[in-house]
Amino acid sequence: DVKVTQSSRYLVKRTGEKVFLECVQDMDHENMFWYRQDPGLGLRLIYFSYDVKMKEKGDIPEGYSVSREKKERFSLILESASTNQTSMYLCASSFPPGRSVSNQPQHFGDGTRLSIL
Amino acid sequence: KNEVEQSPQNLTAQEGEFITINCSYSVGISALHWLQQHPGGGIVSLFMLSSGKKKHGRLIATINIQEKHSSLHITASHPRDSAVYICAVEVKTSYDKVIFGPGTSLSVIP
Repeated sequence: DVKVTQSSRYLVKRTGEKVFLECVQDMDHENMFWYRQDPGLGLRLIYFSYDVKMKEKGDIPEGYSVSREKKERFSLILESASTNQTSMYLCASSFPPGRSVSNQPQHFGDGTRLSIL
Repeated sequence: KNEVEQSPQNLTAQEGEFITINCSYSVGISALHWLQQHPGGGIVSLFMLSSGKKKHGRLIATINIQEKHSSLHITASHPRDSAVYICAVEVKTSYDKVIFGPGTSLSVIP
C-alpha cells in the first residue's frame, strides 16, 4: 500500500514563527502536492513538485514556500506564520499522468492540523 | 463560481435511509473521483468514473458526461458512513491536475 506520512498530526505555533511541515512518501512517486483544507472551500493547491528540486505554484502560494531535495520528501514552509494560515494541511503524491496503477488520483497523508496563535 | 460544486453541503440522515450526494462541474474532465474523508483527516478513494455507473457494496456512483453531473448514492446508510464526501475531477494538463469540490459532510444517526 502507498504510504504518505506527514510529520505531525497537530501543531501549534505563534505568529511570526517559521514553520516546517514535512511529508514523506514511499512509492517512488514523481509528483507531490501540498494542499490546505478549509470549511466550505475544499482542498486548495498551495504548491506542487513534479521532480526533485522542481516546484510550481498552485492556486494559493502566497506566504508559503516548498523544498524538494529528495524524491521521497516534500516540505512546506511558512516563512512567517500568520493567523490566517490556521488550517488543515494535506500532502499528496502520485505518478505522472498515464503511469498511475491505481484508481486513486493522488494518495494523501493523514493531514496536519496547524493552529497559529 | 467554483469549477466543482456539491450539494448538499451538510446532510443528516437516520440509519437505514437512502442518501444522495450531487456533484456538478463546469470544466472538461478525463475522470471524476469520489473520495471519503473520515474525522482525523485521511482521504481515501471510493470510485473513479469516466462514464456510466459503478457499484461497490452499498455505494453507487453515476456520471452523466453530457450534463457534467455525478451522483453518489448510499443505500441502507449506517453511522459508520458518517464522513465528508468529496467530488474531484481530473483535468488534462501537463500534470495530473485535480480540482476538488467543497465536500459534503454526512452524519448518520442511529
